[in-house]
Amino acid sequence: AQSVTQLDSHVSVSEGTPVLLRCNYSSSYSPSLFWYVQHPNKGLQLLLKYTSAATLVKGINGFEAEFKKSETSFHLTKPSAHMSDAAEYFCVVSDLRNNNDMRFGAGTRLTVKP
Amino acid sequence: GAGVSQSPRYKVAKRGQDVALRCDPISGHVSLFWYQQALGQGPEFLTYFQNEAQLDKSGLPSDRFFAERPEGSVSTLKIQRTQQEDSAVYLCASSPGPFQGNEQFFGPGTRLTVL
Repeated sequence: AQSVTQLDSHVSVSEGTPVLLRCNYSSSYSPSLFWYVQHPNKGLQLLLKYTSAATLVKGINGFEAEFKKSETSFHLTKPSAHMSDAAEYFCVVSDLRNNNDMRFGAGTRLTVKP
Repeated sequence: GAGVSQSPRYKVAKRGQDVALRCDPISGHVSLFWYQQALGQGPEFLTYFQNEAQLDKSGLPSDRFFAERPEGSVSTLKIQRTQQEDSAVYLCASSPGPFQGNEQFFGPGTRLTVL
C-alpha cells in the first residue's frame, strides 16, 4: 500500500525567504503525487500534482515540487514566502491500482513571520 | 453549484445518537470518496464509490459506519451509536473517474462533535 511521510510537522520562515516542505513517499506502483493546502476553516485546495510526466511540477501561487524517484521524495518549494502562504500543507500519494484513493501525510504547518 | 457541498457543516451529537452526513459531489463525477480528519491530523481514507458501487470500504473504522450512494450521485455517511472518538471533520471528495492522477475536489467538510 502507498503512504507518505512529511518530515516536518511545523516549518517557520520569514516573509520573503524560501520555503521547503519535505515529503517522502512509498508506493509499489507508479504513483501520482499531490500537494494540497488547507487554510483555517477552508476546504482543501490542490496546489500541484505529478502524474509521470515532467518531474518538475509547477503549481499555483508560485509553488513547485520535484519528483525524485531515486530518493522517493516530492518536496514542495517556493522561492519567496508571503504572509498569505501560512496554512497547513499535505503531501498526498495515490495509485490507480488502489482506486486512486488518496493517502495523506500528517501535514506540515507553515508559519510566515513578518 | 460548481463545487462539492456537504451538509450539515456542523453537527453536535450526544454519545449513542445516530448521525447522517450528506455529500453532493460535482455533477457528473464518477468517483466519490469519504475521509475522516481528526484534529491536528491529515485526512484518512474511509470509503470509495464508483457510481453507485461501493468498491472499497476498508477504511471504515467499525461496523457502526455505513455509507451509501444509491443513485450514483448524492452520498450519505451514517454513523450509528456515536462515540466520542468519532469526533472529527468528515470530508467528501469527488473526481471525474478512476484515471491516473485524477484530482479529487474536496467539500468543506462536516465537523462532528460527540459529547
